[in-house]
Amino acid sequence: EAGVAQSPRYKIIEKRQSVAFWCNPISGHATLYWYQQILGQGPKLLIQFQNNGVVDDSQLPKDRFSAERLKGVDSTLKIQPAKLEDSAVYLCASSASTGNTIYFGEGSWLTVV
Amino acid sequence: DAKTTQPPSMDCAEGRAANLPCNHSTISGNEYVYWYRQIHSQGPQYIIHGLKNNETNEMASLIITEDRKSSTLILPHATLRDTAVYYCIALPNYGGSQGNLIFGKGTKLSVKP
Repeated sequence: EAGVAQSPRYKIIEKRQSVAFWCNPISGHATLYWYQQILGQGPKLLIQFQNNGVVDDSQLPKDRFSAERLKGVDSTLKIQPAKLEDSAVYLCASSASTGNTIYFGEGSWLTVV
Repeated sequence: DAKTTQPPSMDCAEGRAANLPCNHSTISGNEYVYWYRQIHSQGPQYIIHGLKNNETNEMASLIITEDRKSSTLILPHATLRDTAVYYCIALPNYGGSQGNLIFGKGTKLSVKP
């Protein structure tokens, strides 16, 4: 079974530029999550989707971060404009609608310079 | 805030059992204990979860005390590839894909030859 796919794996941008990350969850998984992991810390939830609806985006900095999950499958997380403190790993995860086990992708590493 | 507390680091000799403790004295009756690990430069990997009975799978065993205030993850024969940060997380399970993982700082396990 294919896991959660993410791209790009690594990205370096200058502050005030924009960046987008893409995620393809495990086939059939209704719930999709985006987490941010700053170096030395545990992952922190940014946004949770159930199919194509937002369940929780309370921790998403909406002035610069946006996310969408069109058609309830793939998802895109965008940062515009990026700040130095956005340097982190952005992890996508998914879970099936009938269970709580959450599976993670390898992450997208962002460095803002 | 995370509902669990773990030692920041542990060492284990290769081939020996690694016993990772977790304290969750405030866990509520509907919260499962989940264990994930994160190997350097990878996304978190699901290991095992349980409610009140001990659980075993191909990766590890989970021992939960009768009062559910603490648990121990056991890797029966640790290898160098088990070197990682291990996270113990309390997660409610309502039979659906609800709730998100709140990560603490975890335990950094170093397996030494």
